[in-house]
Amino acid sequence: LAKTTQPISMDSYEGQEVNITCSHNNIATNDYITWYQQFPSQGPRFIIQGYKTKVTNEVASLFIPADRKSSTLSLPRVSLSDTAVYYCLATSSNTGKLIFGQGTTLQVKP
Amino acid sequence: EAQVTQNPRYLITVTGKKLTVTCSQNMNHEYMSWYRQDPGLGLRQIYYSMNVEVTDKGDVPEGYKVSRKEKRNFPLILESPSPNQTSLYFCASSTLTTSGVPYEQYFGPGTRLTVT
Repeated sequence: LAKTTQPISMDSYEGQEVNITCSHNNIATNDYITWYQQFPSQGPRFIIQGYKTKVTNEVASLFIPADRKSSTLSLPRVSLSDTAVYYCLATSSNTGKLIFGQGTTLQVKP
Repeated sequence: EAQVTQNPRYLITVTGKKLTVTCSQNMNHEYMSWYRQDPGLGLRQIYYSMNVEVTDKGDVPEGYKVSRKEKRNFPLILESPSPNQTSLYFCASSTLTTSGVPYEQYFGPGTRLTVT
């Protein structure tokens, strides 16, 4: 199972687009990339999942380049309520084993 | 309402006294999983289950047991709790994609366990 590496923390301002990069150099062919958001004392909340190229939903976009050694979560126009910890994890098909990394603490300022 | 419930939410116990934390989901999900979260260590997977009667070890299974006799329930058992199992525990469930990948895990509210 591929280990993921993310920046420990990031700062942004309200209304800006935020891009959080995740490195996964040893990603396997059957690994998917999944992102979760977590607020203090709550369970994580699913944001997005992808395999390659670009995936977009109503809250975020996920960009995975052709070599799949990294991925970028893009949050458009963040607000104060987006202040949270964001986790990137590699998920292999046909195994339920998951490894959450240390996560990125995003602080959104007014 | 679609949800994952855990009980109890808070528990203080003593070393060696067997305990069970229950987890139940009402979404007919195949996949269920237990995690513990400790300051500075992030979320670590304890056990997971791909379906009824199918369970497997996560990253930190030592000192824990699980069972999956019914699709909706996935209890976590600590046969002989120790202080190093003091932690915040989360249960989660999800569907599996056609590729067998857990998709959009729904997490329970958490159980804060203290072992003295």
